[in-house]
Amino acid sequence: GENVEQHPSTLSVQEGDSAVIKCTYSDSASNYFPWYKQELGKGPQLIIDIRSNVGEKKDQRIAVTLNKTAKHFSLHITETQPEDSAVYFCAARYEGNMLTFGGGTRLMVKP
Amino acid sequence: NAGVMQNPRHLVRRRGQEARLRCSPMKGHSHVYWYRQLPEEGLKFMVYLQKENIIDESGMPKERFSAEFPKEGPSILRIQQVVRGDSAAYFCASCEFPTEAFFGQGTRLTVV
Repeated sequence: GENVEQHPSTLSVQEGDSAVIKCTYSDSASNYFPWYKQELGKGPQLIIDIRSNVGEKKDQRIAVTLNKTAKHFSLHITETQPEDSAVYFCAARYEGNMLTFGGGTRLMVKP
Repeated sequence: NAGVMQNPRHLVRRRGQEARLRCSPMKGHSHVYWYRQLPEEGLKFMVYLQKENIIDESGMPKERFSAEFPKEGPSILRIQQVVRGDSAAYFCASCEFPTEAFFGQGTRLTVV
């Protein structure tokens, strides 16, 4: 089955700096890679996703890159703000299967 | 279009009782996943269901746990004879391939 590794487990940045979270996956058949943000006491919220036919996708301050050959994908947050502080999860899925999640990254943005 | 609805949000059960967790998927979604999250930990897959079918239950304990997603009504995750170790947040997500999967706000189960 699929295995997703996520690094780092915690990340502390100064407000305005960039944050990068990286994930690797094991199943080359996986073709869908979403990122979720989870705030305390709430459910995971989808913030961006990418499919295997695309190498990069951007939505305002958030971007995701995918390297299918190396089987890794990354989340980039620019100009971080205190409200970006949360736990971020990457996931991978092959169409028709369940989402397999990474272990999560606790991002702390210091004002 | 309402999101994924889970109830109850909080559930307290004594050891040995049964817990029933409900998940109503987004309108038009026929696929439901259940995940379990312990405090400060990640999301662990439990079971994947389609209407009236269990597609993958490889993450669900073989005893005391069961799940269903009937033709009509919500998906139900049932835990019989709960133990302290069952205390966790249980999340469901729904999707309709190839769209995104959306999560509910979770049910926080506390076993006392």
